[in-house]
Amino acid sequence: QQPVQSPQAVILREGEDAVINCSSSKALYSVHWYRQKHGEAPVFLMILLKGGEQKGHEKISASFNEKKQQSSLYLTASQLSYSGTYFCGTATGYGQNFVFGPGTRLSVLP
Amino acid sequence: NAGVTQTPKFRVLKTGQSMTLLCAQDMNHEYMYWYRQDPGMGLRLIHYSVGEGTTAKGEVPDGYNVSRLKKQNFLLGLESAAPSQTSVYFCASSYSSRRNTEAFFGQGTRLTVV
Repeated sequence: QQPVQSPQAVILREGEDAVINCSSSKALYSVHWYRQKHGEAPVFLMILLKGGEQKGHEKISASFNEKKQQSSLYLTASQLSYSGTYFCGTATGYGQNFVFGPGTRLSVLP
Repeated sequence: NAGVTQTPKFRVLKTGQSMTLLCAQDMNHEYMYWYRQDPGMGLRLIHYSVGEGTTAKGEVPDGYNVSRLKKQNFLLGLESAAPSQTSVYFCASSYSSRRNTEAFFGQGTRLTVV
């Protein structure tokens, strides 16, 4: 089942912060975050696993609340290069494929 | 290091025609995936493969077939294209048998069926 992302879109000025949320109606084993710039391929940002393990880029911050079945991606001091569509993908069990959410479009303006 | 390469990048088909999309990866990854991306829908998994010679259905497999004869290649076939298959197709690969590792995506194939 596809996770829900919020907000659908957000516009920021350079230097501002943003939070993108991803929630599921089912218990989650892992959450994946990807960013896609217009006309390009999605690029990996972070994986968060049940139990607290995380793997991702140093400048990216995210949380995973297993009880609430949701994850949040934190973008601080945003830069123009942060613009793009952010997708979360959720897996409900070990070895399960992850299902992508519909995406959150982020626009950072000068 | 090329990563994941998809061919072709663009294609226009007439309804009923067939075609094959090729995905090649040079990272010795076990897992490979085909997704389609439509506006407002995110990426939806069509088929995937957990190793050479194996394939499995994803979320939206109807109208597509796949083959993984070699570890580095994953082919997506459309036997009889329909306008509903107009989309951007992405191939991806990942390394770990746990499946909870980073996926690397190709640059996409934009397919239009008229």
